[in-house]
Amino acid sequence: DTEVTQTPKHLVMGMTNKKSLKCEQHMGHRAMYWYKQKAKKPPELMFVYSYEKLSINESVPSRFSPECPNSSLLNLHLHALQPEDSALYLCASSAKFSPEGGRYGYTFGSGTRLTVV
Amino acid sequence: EDQVTQSPEALRLQEGESSSLNCSYTVSGLRGLFWYRQDPGKGPEFLFTLYSAGEEKEKERLKATLTKKESFLHITAPKPEDSATYLCAVQAGQGGSEKLVFGKGTKLTVNP
Repeated sequence: DTEVTQTPKHLVMGMTNKKSLKCEQHMGHRAMYWYKQKAKKPPELMFVYSYEKLSINESVPSRFSPECPNSSLLNLHLHALQPEDSALYLCASSAKFSPEGGRYGYTFGSGTRLTVV
Repeated sequence: EDQVTQSPEALRLQEGESSSLNCSYTVSGLRGLFWYRQDPGKGPEFLFTLYSAGEEKEKERLKATLTKKESFLHITAPKPEDSATYLCAVQAGQGGSEKLVFGKGTKLTVNP
């Protein structure tokens, strides 16, 4: 199993709603990521979890709240979003880059297309 | 600040017309350079990782090379199904940082 599975594939939510995006991988990867991608732009890093602990937060607004319940799951909780938060939200995972030079690619999910109305 | 610049922004080729995409980077302590393919509305699909100058990797019609300042993605005799946006990303820094910095991508269109 070499997949990162994201649900839902599409989500439309109002600015007062609370919703969650889910990501799951069963490759034994210990680093998981959330990226945001606007149309015709490259992915922008939001959060990194390493061994289930938040290791990087790229100054993301608090209306986005990540959670890593276990080594296979990553959630992104959404609350009081703005229309400009509409984007493709991508989850990715990788085996931890080892100091000895372990060489692993990042595997991305297909993303959740979020529209905030 | 780590920077990744891809050129051209867009490239149109005829089927069978070989060409190259460029990714130049300015980073402190390159730990890996990645090439991804992305189709519209989908997540990036991993193609290659390169780690040291002089390294080359091939997959079907694609070949990636790396120097100390840039990487090239050579596409030989492309087919319409190779049409996609190709993203270059670098992993850099010390202390176990897992952060990837992406370039803006090259949108490739291959006409039959």
